[in-house]
Amino acid sequence: GAVVSQHPSWVICKSGTSVKIECRSLDFQATTMFWYRQFPKQSLMLMATSNEGSKATYEQGVEKDKFLINHASLTLSTLTVTSAHPEDSSFYICSVPGGAGGTDTQYFGPGTRLTVL
Amino acid sequence: KQEVTQIPAALSVPEGENLVLNCSFTDSAIYNLQWFRQDPGKGLTSLLLIQSSQREQTSGRLNASLDKSSGRSTLYIAASQPGDSATYLCAGGPSGNTPLVFGKGTRLSVIA
Repeated sequence: GAVVSQHPSWVICKSGTSVKIECRSLDFQATTMFWYRQFPKQSLMLMATSNEGSKATYEQGVEKDKFLINHASLTLSTLTVTSAHPEDSSFYICSVPGGAGGTDTQYFGPGTRLTVL
Repeated sequence: KQEVTQIPAALSVPEGENLVLNCSFTDSAIYNLQWFRQDPGKGLTSLLLIQSSQREQTSGRLNASLDKSSGRSTLYIAASQPGDSATYLCAGGPSGNTPLVFGKGTRLSVIA
């Protein structure tokens, strides 16, 4: 199956700083990637859809100016958490739909755990 | 809007027991359904994918079924082992290229 990588796997930052998380599709090109976040003991919730060549689509309640998404290439999407606050501490996971690779499954990255002090 | 519910929220069983995890969804227009495993502090491991034209999938001791008309899916785990202890998530989407809607998961503990 497709391999999706994320970097970094974990990050600790001070309140007010910005953090960039990378999501890479290693096996096939992806015009679309999805970003989810998971708070402790909660399920995954979709944050936004990253689109190559156009603006990201954000879910209701997700601040687009705070969570900047850039689909830089067909294999890379980045999520930047700007002016991070402790309430942004969460597990961020990206996924790549398998349609381009010929399957219906979704391939998930290993996740990035963000802790904001 | 699709909603996915998983019952029970937590389950503790002795080793060797067969068990069933339940997942229900509100929109029968679901295209496919995936079951995932998540270990504490870790990412997702895909277990089984049931595509729209299928009714069930099997992998080893795992069997997942999908009944779109009733809006239900079940994950059957045979002969449970302590290593099966994890949170199991089900998720579905309206097509193969759309984001998934996740249930809150069932936290399974298998006691040796």
